[in-house]
Amino acid sequence: AQSVSQHNHHVILSEAASLELGCNYSYGGTVNLFWYVQYPGQHLQLLLKYFSGDPLVKGIKGFEAEFIKSKFSFNLRKPSVQWSDTAEYFCAVNPGSARQLTFGSGTQLTVLP
Amino acid sequence: NAGVTQTPKFQVLKTGQSMTLQCAQDMNHEYMSWYRQDPGMGLRLIHYSVGAGITDQGEVPNGYNVSRSTTEDFPLRLLSAAPSQTSVYFCASSYSSDYYTDTQYFGPGTRLTVL
Repeated sequence: AQSVSQHNHHVILSEAASLELGCNYSYGGTVNLFWYVQYPGQHLQLLLKYFSGDPLVKGIKGFEAEFIKSKFSFNLRKPSVQWSDTAEYFCAVNPGSARQLTFGSGTQLTVLP
Repeated sequence: NAGVTQTPKFQVLKTGQSMTLQCAQDMNHEYMSWYRQDPGMGLRLIHYSVGAGITDQGEVPNGYNVSRSTTEDFPLRLLSAAPSQTSVYFCASSYSSDYYTDTQYFGPGTRLTVL
């Protein structure tokens, strides 16, 4: 079955550490890729998205993600995390031919002050 | 703009009861959808709508009904609640039915417990 995998369920980092969260998908062909974030007590909101062009995309709050087609991956990165980045992060994929988003299971990031 | 609103925030039901989760948006968005979020499973699409009068099933539609009589509202009906429907439910909307690249705007969620 087509799926989206986030292998890190819970990541704990200290402030100023670098972050990379993995996202892999199993769809072939054209895909549109998203990272959403849910801060404690807040709505899910878009962090960044990719649908064409430069495979390195930049989002809000210093986050970026790189689309590597050959690896079916869309990993999220941030060079230096802050305590305020504590949240749950979801990767989502639209296969490009369906009016649906498929979400990964999410990664809970805890940043220690 | 209030964005996407959902009511109620919390609900406890007994097995077999029915209820409607409300979702409304004031952004004139064409596309609306319902997801459920369960631990370790991310968000799974229940139903979606690309405009008033048009709905379709998502990944996990069984046990749920939807309708879209207006652009603003997209209620989700549980016909006969079961413990397996205990979950957090999110409504989302996006600007156009060109859904493939649009940003989804999410509501605050409804936490439902079925006893």
